[in-house]
Amino acid sequence: NAGVTQTPKFRVLKTGQSMTLLCAQDMNHEYMYWYRQDPGMGLRLIHYSVGEGTTAKGEVPDGYNVSRLKKQNFLLGLESAAPSQTSVYFCASSIDRPGSGNTIYFGEGSWLTVV
Amino acid sequence: GQQVMQIPQYQHVQEGEDFTTYCNSSTTLSNIQWYKQRPGGHPVFLIQLVKSGEVKKQKRLTFQFGEAKKNSSLHITATQTTDVGTYFCAGGTGANNLFFGTGTRLTVIP
Repeated sequence: NAGVTQTPKFRVLKTGQSMTLLCAQDMNHEYMYWYRQDPGMGLRLIHYSVGEGTTAKGEVPDGYNVSRLKKQNFLLGLESAAPSQTSVYFCASSIDRPGSGNTIYFGEGSWLTVV
Repeated sequence: GQQVMQIPQYQHVQEGEDFTTYCNSSTTLSNIQWYKQRPGGHPVFLIQLVKSGEVKKQKRLTFQFGEAKKNSSLHITATQTTDVGTYFCAGGTGANNLFFGTGTRLTVIP
């Protein structure tokens, strides 16, 4: 049981390049999330999904797009990377609404540097 | 909008000393969860509190949820080097996501 798996773990991009971060969960969870973590800023929600085919904006969605074509996968796209998007990205999932008491399970993180 | 503030941002303690981190919400919460992130790792769930005034213990860790359900604290007794990491609170309001605090990074000096 792998839990939440993210790929790639490390990536260096040039400004203006595009890339996609892949997230897969094998727990049959409905809810999936993408967070970014920057020093002193905690975990900030980028986008989330409450089920297959749905997406919604979080706290810091600008410059990112997401898709949830399959229940187990949640993709985060950067169309034109900027140095401000240098960060650690965490994918996470929850079986149901975490605001109602369900635990969030995090992936191991993806370290992205934009130069 | 919903905000969850956490203090202190950093804490350095000698091994064996106690440690406390505090979490305050701008609105009433339905539940609060605590997560620990080891250096270089990912956040891992520790515990959830739901009831007003609730206190839960996990070995040397004591978690409290305030009477008004707007604040919470995590207290570690007699810290050990294995306690090193960043502790996050995360408030739930019944919504589709949790509101994470900014975290407290704990350093334990041997």
